[in-house]
Amino acid sequence: QSALTQPASVSGSPGQSITISCTGSSSDVGGYNYVSWYQQNPGKAPKLMIYDVNKRPSGVSNRFSGSKAGNTASLTISGLQAEDEADYYCSSYTSSTTFVFGGGTKLTVL
Amino acid sequence: QVQLQQWGAGLLKPSETLSLTCAVYGGSFSAYYWNWIRQPPGKGLEWIGEISHSGSTNYNPSLKSRVTISVDTSKNQFSLKVNSVTAADTAVYHCARRRREEVTTFRNFFYYYMDVWGKGTTVTVSS
Repeated sequence: QSALTQPASVSGSPGQSITISCTGSSSDVGGYNYVSWYQQNPGKAPKLMIYDVNKRPSGVSNRFSGSKAGNTASLTISGLQAEDEADYYCSSYTSSTTFVFGGGTKLTVL
Repeated sequence: QVQLQQWGAGLLKPSETLSLTCAVYGGSFSAYYWNWIRQPPGKGLEWIGEISHSGSTNYNPSLKSRVTISVDTSKNQFSLKVNSVTAADTAVYHCARRRREEVTTFRNFFYYYMDVWGKGTTVTVSS
C-alpha cells in the first residue's frame, strides 16, 4: 500500500487559516469516511485531532476542522496560533482492512 | 485515565529480532484493537499491524512476512516481534489503541482511528 500524499510543509501567520491536503485513492481516502488526522510535536506521541473525516474528539479546539472531496481529504486550522506549530499526519482505513498514513506535513507559524 | 507503557531493546544488530512490549493500564482491554506504528528518523508514520484481545491479527502487507504481534490478556499486554531486522527498521515504535466495533440492535458503530498512543521506543539497527 502506498502512503497518502501530503505537502511537506505549509506555513501561515497567527490568526490566518491554513489547509493541509491528503491525497489517496478510491481504495482508501475516496472509498471510506474513515480519515483521521494527528498532530505530533517533536519527541512526542501523535495526538488525535480529527476522526471520521470531520469529527473532533473531546478537548480538541473547534479551530480544527476536516473535510473530504473525492480521493482528497483536508485539515483546516483557522485562527492559527503559535501552539499549532507541529507535524500533522493523515490516516485512512483501506479496502485491505489495513491503515495507511500520509508522509506528514510540517506546519510553521510565522 | 488509560496509559500505554512500552519497553524493549533499543539497539540491535542486522539480522536480529526486534522485540517490544506494550502494557495497558486503565480502561477495558477487550474493547480495543492494539496497534503498532513506527516512524523512521525524519520520516512519516507507518502502520505495522494490530491485534484483538482474542488474538485476531491484521498486518501491513509490506511487513507481514517478518512481523508477529501477540497478546497476553492475563497481563493486559501485547507485543511486537520483527525478524531479520536491517537498518531500514530503525525507527521510533509506538503502540496505540483502536476501539473495536460495537454491534447493537439498531446500528453498528465502527472506529477507524487510534485515540491513545504510547510515548514511543527508539530502536536502532546498526552493526
